Amino acid sequence: SQTIHQWPATLVQPVGSPLSLECTVEGTSNPNLYWYRQAAGRGLQLLFYSVGIGQISSEVPQNLSASRPQDRQFILSSKKLLLSDSGFYLCAWSVTASTEAFFGQGTRLTVV
Amino acid sequence: QKEVEQNSGPLSVPEGAIASLNCTYSDRVSQSFFWYRQYSGKSPELIMSIYSNGDKEDGRFTAQLNKASQYVSLLIRDSQPSDSATYLCAVPSKLSFGAGTTVTVRA
Repeated sequence: SQTIHQWPATLVQPVGSPLSLECTVEGTSNPNLYWYRQAAGRGLQLLFYSVGIGQISSEVPQNLSASRPQDRQFILSSKKLLLSDSGFYLCAWSVTASTEAFFGQGTRLTVV
Repeated sequence: QKEVEQNSGPLSVPEGAIASLNCTYSDRVSQSFFWYRQYSGKSPELIMSIYSNGDKEDGRFTAQLNKASQYVSLLIRDSQPSDSATYLCAVPSKLSFGAGTTVTVRA
């Protein structure tokens, strides 16, 4: 069966520090991968999605970047965090662009 | 125009009642629709996928799709306190989500 791993679960980082969140999927090949951010009490904002290695689409211009160095690995990064980067970051995968997606456990990031 | 619009709620229903959630979407070519449940502080979990016009039932949940009206709904029958959560609808186009409807089931 397929599983998705996302870590860390919680993170407190100072303003201006770098960020690296990692997501890996097991049990499938060439998944579609997604990064979302959810601010407190708000909906899901799509940040990046990827249909293959090295193929990243950015939905919102911001302080973040994403990379997909391996088929089942998706990384969200920032060189310098802002207070506004605080939120609940979620990674998800789907088999194709038209099928349902499954989420990791999420990372709650607080920038102080 | 947003890809997906949900009735914003919040929705409060007594235990045992039917909770009705609605969603409209803008992309006429969407062929599949998804309902997710998100408990506070947790990640969304898939509860229903629907691909064809009409109703799809799974336990106490029924999803209804009307492609001509670009409308999809979710009914929760015999609502339980454990159903208290935020419900999100989604379309495959870049996996876009509605803002969610928060449901509270009163014991």
